[in-house]
Amino acid sequence: DAGVTQSPTHLIKTRGQQVTLRCSPKSGHDTVSWYQQALGQGPQFIFQYYEEEERQRGNFPDRFSGHQFPNYSSELNVNALLLGDSALYLCASSPLAAGDPRLVEQYFGPGTRLTVT
Amino acid sequence: AQSVTQLGSHVSVSEGALVLLRCNYSSSVPPYLFWYVQYPNQGLQLLLKYTSAATLVKGINGFEAEFKKSETSFHLTKPSAHMSDAAEYFCAVSDRNNDMRFGAGTRLTVKP
Repeated sequence: DAGVTQSPTHLIKTRGQQVTLRCSPKSGHDTVSWYQQALGQGPQFIFQYYEEEERQRGNFPDRFSGHQFPNYSSELNVNALLLGDSALYLCASSPLAAGDPRLVEQYFGPGTRLTVT
Repeated sequence: AQSVTQLGSHVSVSEGALVLLRCNYSSSVPPYLFWYVQYPNQGLQLLLKYTSAATLVKGINGFEAEFKKSETSFHLTKPSAHMSDAAEYFCAVSDRNNDMRFGAGTRLTVKP
């Protein structure tokens, strides 16, 4: 089992550009969440996808968008990059919870380090 | 809204000494609480979680945490630190949709 994988590992972009980050969930998982972790901070929830739809969203602008594919993999897109978007972007996957979703563990990938210059 | 506060951005202990990492939570509903560890250039790994069962939760690598409602705390402890415990530790609270809210993290340094 490969676990949660993310690509690319590192990325350097210029202000104003657009970026796409990719995530493949752990086998058997159908829910994907994205987090932004700025340097020296804890991860901040961006949004969560289930059944190819955004199920909930954190306090991030519309420049942040996502997509989930039928195979449950997911993309995070960020438009009009700002210097403040520089961070580690983490993807987490979890299986569908039959009851309380908090009872299922989220498995995190190693992240994509985005640097905006 | 639910949130957690980690007291102390950096904790340093000697090898073999007690590890105590502090976390206080704020929640309007019974919380589900988590501790994660992050090693350099890696993602987060779950250490343990509290889901309203036993208040003393045992996790991996010898770590445990006690949920204290009266103190709104969920501090992480380990009786004897090992060099391999050096990492960043995050406390988190989850809402009903499994939307995780993380603290700012505590960096643990273990001195030989």
